[in-house]
Formats: sequence, C-alpha cells, structure tokens
Amino acid sequence: EPEVTQTPSHQVTQMGQEVILRCVPISNHLYFYWYRQILGQKVEFLVSFYNNEISEKSEIFDDQFSVERPDGSNFTLKIRSTKLEDSAMYFCASTQRPGDYEQYFGPGTRLTVT
Amino acid sequence: SQQGEEDPQALSIQEGENATMNCSYKTSINNLQWYRQNSGRGLVHLILIRSNEREKHSGRLRVTLDTSKKSSSLLITASRAADTASYFCATFSNDYKLSFGAGTTVTVRA
Repeated sequence: EPEVTQTPSHQVTQMGQEVILRCVPISNHLYFYWYRQILGQKVEFLVSFYNNEISEKSEIFDDQFSVERPDGSNFTLKIRSTKLEDSAMYFCASTQRPGDYEQYFGPGTRLTVT
Repeated sequence: SQQGEEDPQALSIQEGENATMNCSYKTSINNLQWYRQNSGRGLVHLILIRSNEREKHSGRLRVTLDTSKKSSSLLITASRAADTASYFCATFSNDYKLSFGAGTTVTVRA
C-alpha cells in the first residue's frame, strides 16, 4: 500500500540554524500538508499546498517557515532560523481531494532544537 | 475556534471490553476523521465519516456522527492490548485543513 514517507526521522539542531524537513507524498495525491505536534499537545495545522502554491496557512506559519515542491515527488518544510519552541514532531500529509478523502500522514520528523 | 475536543482524556479497560470515546466540535464540518497514534509514532487513519452520514463501521470500529449535537463517538469493540494508543478526532471544514482534538489515551490491560 502506498505511504507517505518523511526524512529524517529525527533532527537535532542548534537554535538559529536552518532546517529542511522532507516528505514524499503518495504519488497520485494533489494536496499536501504540514502539521506539527509539540510533545504532549494536540496536532496543529501549519500549511496546505496545492498546485504549487500555499492554499492556507495558520498563524504558526510565520515568515520563518516556507514550503516547496522542488520536483514531482518531494515536498519540503524549511525553518529558516529555528527557535527552542520549534521543537516538535512534524507530520507531512497528503490527500487526493480534501473533503472526500482521508489525509494520509507520514511517520513524522522529530525536531529537537537545542 | 477549537474543534474536535475528545472525552474522556484517558480510558483504561480490560482486554475484551469495549472502549467508547466522544468528540465534540463547534463549527459545521464537511467530514470527521478518527486517527490513532501509538506513543511517539505517526498518525494512522482509522475511519472517515461524512457530514451526511450517521454511522459507519470498519472492522471492530463503529463511528457515529450527530451533526445536530456537533458530536461523534468512536467505539472499539472487543479491545486488544494492541489497541493501546491515543485516539484523535479531526474535523475537516471548508477551510481545507484538519483540526485535531487533544485526544483520548486508551490503555487496554491484559
């Protein structure tokens, strides 16, 4: 069964450094998402992406964040200058068509900012 | 506004018993989805129920949706130790994103 994959599984970085989290969505999906989950808290929406542009973003997704689909398969989340409070589990998700189909989530990248 | 608040926060049951958890939400939805998360792991999609559906089954899972009360329930029948996990409801509205609740932590005792 096709699945969403994410790399790396765990990333440790120092405050102020840039990180890029990578995702490979399911191949025939058109809508892509990033969510994050701070330890012990609920999963929060960051951004949705369709047709090579951001469809919607939350207030969390400020100028330090950016997303890109550099080729036909990868979907990346970049944090330009990481803060301690960016430490969280970051999940990528994809779906064929929102509203009608479930979102498939990747296994997540645990980001630790020291 | 916050969507998808689960109740109870935690549930401990004996293997073989049923587990029921509830989810309430605030605004109108397109569909409601339930996910499972094992400790420190990713989210596994369990079931999706659309706003025009009232009940849905998948294996040992039964989901109900009452749009008039803005609530949903997830029933796991004949629970197993492997069902130990956190369960989240997530609502999908016309803003194209999932809004998750805080989750119910289910512990199934052998």
